[in-house]
Amino acid sequence: GIQVEQSPPDLILQEGANSTLRCNFSDSVNNLQWFHQNPWGQLINLFYIPSGTKQNGRLSATTVATERYSLLYISSSQTTDSGVYFCAVPGAGRRALTFGSGTRLQVQP
Amino acid sequence: DARVTQTPRHKVTEMGQEVTMRCQPILGHNTVFWYRQTMMQGLELLAYFRNRAPLDDSGMPKDRFSAEMPDATLATLKIQPSEPRDSAVYFCASGLVLGTVNTEAFFGQGTRLTVV
Repeated sequence: GIQVEQSPPDLILQEGANSTLRCNFSDSVNNLQWFHQNPWGQLINLFYIPSGTKQNGRLSATTVATERYSLLYISSSQTTDSGVYFCAVPGAGRRALTFGSGTRLQVQP
Repeated sequence: DARVTQTPRHKVTEMGQEVTMRCQPILGHNTVFWYRQTMMQGLELLAYFRNRAPLDDSGMPKDRFSAEMPDATLATLKIQPSEPRDSAVYFCASGLVLGTVNTEAFFGQGTRLTVV
């Protein structure tokens, strides 16, 4: 099946800092999603981004489908950004989403 | 406000008991997924339905787990008998497949299962 790798696995930032999270995938996809799992365990949709660039406030994402990677940018980080960030792509044959192992982000005041 | 609804949110049960988790997908969505999240395995797919038909349940232990969609508004995941190793958070998600394209999937709040 498709492989999804995320880096870095862990990230500690001071409030106000910027960061870039990376997601590599092993096969061509027609969909990519970024999620934030908050400390209460909820999976919150951040971006649905099969290709190109999207922005939502302090967050933006870029997917380069031809090179099989996506980047999530967090600017001016806040303590509420803490949690785990997952990227997910569908497997072969339009299967369900396969998740990466996540990047655990801790933003310190 | 369309959302995926899961019940119960928390469940504590004794080993050997039957557990039923329920999910109401977003109205109009034609795909439903069940995932299990543990510290060791991360988010793993258990079952995948499209138009209420099971397309993939290869990730589900067949001897004790079963997943069904009695109708378009309800998906169920049952464990019988439950074991302590089933303790995890179980997520349901729904989405829409249009032709060959998977559109955005949305997750419920999860059921935290503890088997003692």
